[in-house]
Amino acid sequence: NAGVTQTPKFRILKIGQSMTLQCTQDMNHNYMYWYRQDPGMGLKLIYYSVGAGITDKGEVPNGYNVSRSTTEDFPLRLELAAPSQTSVYFCATLVSTEAFFGQGTRLTVV
Amino acid sequence: GESVGLHLPTLSVQEGDNSIINCAYSNSASDYFIWYKQESGKGPQFIIDIRSNMDKRQGQRVTVLLNKTVKHLSLQIAATQPGDSAVYFCADIIGNQFYFGTGTSLTVIP
Repeated sequence: NAGVTQTPKFRILKIGQSMTLQCTQDMNHNYMYWYRQDPGMGLKLIYYSVGAGITDKGEVPNGYNVSRSTTEDFPLRLELAAPSQTSVYFCATLVSTEAFFGQGTRLTVV
Repeated sequence: GESVGLHLPTLSVQEGDNSIINCAYSNSASDYFIWYKQESGKGPQFIIDIRSNMDKRQGQRVTVLLNKTVKHLSLQIAATQPGDSAVYFCADIIGNQFYFGTGTSLTVIP
């Protein structure tokens, strides 16, 4: 049981490039979330999903897209990377009030 | 949008003393409040939660107090240990959305 797995752990992107941050969970949880965490700040909700085929915007969705074709996977897509998207990205699942987080993806856009 | 904030960004306590970390929230519709601990380079870890219809909940060495009148939440850590040094976030759940506050960095002085 690996819990929540994020890949890659680190990535450097050039402005305008695109990439997909992967998130996979093996706990069969319906609720999944993507957050970004800027230095010294809290986690800001980007997108979330309450089940396969359903996604919704959070606080800061601009510049991102998500999909949820299966219960296990919840990838986050950056189409045109911008320096403002430099951050640490966390994926999480939620059961009742207990959240399980991945180890994070540190993204730098230069 | 939701605003979940903390009164103090940093807190230093002597080992063995009690710590109190505070959090203010703005949305009366919150269903649950949760405290998370985040160590450097890791994702947040669940500490304790409290339903919005409760005013106190105790765990192992931790107590969460909820004052709905003034929209204030606190986390009390008894007999603080060096391993408690971390950033602490309060979070709340409103419907399917899951929001985090800015965080308080707790440093335990040996």
